[in-house]
Amino acid sequence: AQTVTQSQPEMSVQEAETVTLSCTYDTSESDYYLFWYKQPPSRQMILVIRQEAYKQQNATENRFSVNFQKAAKSFSLKISDSQLGDAAMYFCAYRRGPGTASKLTFGTGTRLQVTL
Amino acid sequence: EAGVAQSPRYKIIEKRQSVAFWCNPISGHATLYWYQQILGQGPKLLIQFQNNGVVDDSQLPKDRFSAERLKGVDSTLKIQPAKLEDSAVYLCASSFGPEGNQPQHFGDGTRLSIL
Repeated sequence: AQTVTQSQPEMSVQEAETVTLSCTYDTSESDYYLFWYKQPPSRQMILVIRQEAYKQQNATENRFSVNFQKAAKSFSLKISDSQLGDAAMYFCAYRRGPGTASKLTFGTGTRLQVTL
Repeated sequence: EAGVAQSPRYKIIEKRQSVAFWCNPISGHATLYWYQQILGQGPKLLIQFQNNGVVDDSQLPKDRFSAERLKGVDSTLKIQPAKLEDSAVYLCASSFGPEGNQPQHFGDGTRLSIL
């Protein structure tokens, strides 16, 4: 069974600074997807960024980028130029793919605080 | 486009009572998911529908939980009877298809408190 581990329950960053959230996963599959979701107090899970395992290039979405290390099964999220609106719970998630119907497996989350 | 709609937003009941949650997915999304998110944990899939058929309900406590999506659009999740450990946020999500590369869009969830 696939597992996702987020070892940082809480992180703090100053506004305009950079922070990196860690995630490791365990799988025997070779083809899969990895995601970072943001969950603000409103509770809605918002997709931040997605990485296909077959792509060597790290995904980037504006201020958000990932460091995907397939051999190490590591998938960290870097937030640059942090903003107050980035404060939220961040969940790393895994999904087997691409052609199979499979569930998202989430980590336990990292609470990110952004300070002035 | 309108997002995933869920109701109610909050629900408080006593243990052994029953409760139902409703979800309306994004128009055109064939795949619908119900997740349970216990405080301090990530969401856990309870059930996945493809149109009106069940794809995965392996983690659904079937002695007390049931879900349906009769017309392949909106869905209801029911708990009867509720236990204290059912206190959680229940999230509904939908995607265009079931494949791994299809992004899931989530609703705001229902926070259930059991007294």
